[in-house]
Amino acid sequence: NAGVTQTPKFQVLKTGQSMTLQCAQDMNHNSMYWYRQDPGMGLRLIYYSASEGTTDKGEVPNGYNVSRLNKREFSLRLESAAPSQTSVYFCASSEALGPFQRETQYFGPGTRLLVL
Amino acid sequence: DAKTTQPPSMDCAEGRAANLPCNHSTISGNEYVYWYRQIHSQGPQYIIHGLKNNETNEMASLIITEDRKSSTLILPHATLRDTAVYYCIVSPGANSKLTFGKGITLSVRP
Repeated sequence: NAGVTQTPKFQVLKTGQSMTLQCAQDMNHNSMYWYRQDPGMGLRLIYYSASEGTTDKGEVPNGYNVSRLNKREFSLRLESAAPSQTSVYFCASSEALGPFQRETQYFGPGTRLLVL
Repeated sequence: DAKTTQPPSMDCAEGRAANLPCNHSTISGNEYVYWYRQIHSQGPQYIIHGLKNNETNEMASLIITEDRKSSTLILPHATLRDTAVYYCIVSPGANSKLTFGKGITLSVRP
């Protein structure tokens, strides 16, 4: 049981390049999330997926797209990377028993992205 | 979602109890209080949550005031490995967004 896994661990991009961050969970969770964390800041939600086939914008969605490929996988794509997207990206998943039910999110180890 | 207020930092001696405060004066009746922590460079880790009653698990205890406007996370015997940023979050639960603020940096000294 690996929990939440993310690839790659590190990436350096040039401005304008594109890339996809991969996330997978093996806990059969319904909900998955993408966050970014900048130095000295808390985590900010980019996008989330409450269930397979659905995605919703979070606090900072501009410049990103997501795909909930199946129940296990949730990818984050940067179509044209900008230096402002230099950050650490965390994926998370939760069982999401239902509205107003307690929810524990489990986080992956993060992807460190540098855009030059 | 209700906002939370935490001091930016605190420290405690190894082996002593660490009491981390959090104010959430605008919390709604259906919102849970969650605590997560983030050890340097790692993903956040769930610690504990509560609605109205005090809660305890193998990691910590959560004390929520009767009016639910504040809470305290207690690490009963802090170790050096407990040095981390601790986030207090209030949320209605599943299908709602967890909003992470800046948290409180706990430094455990030898």
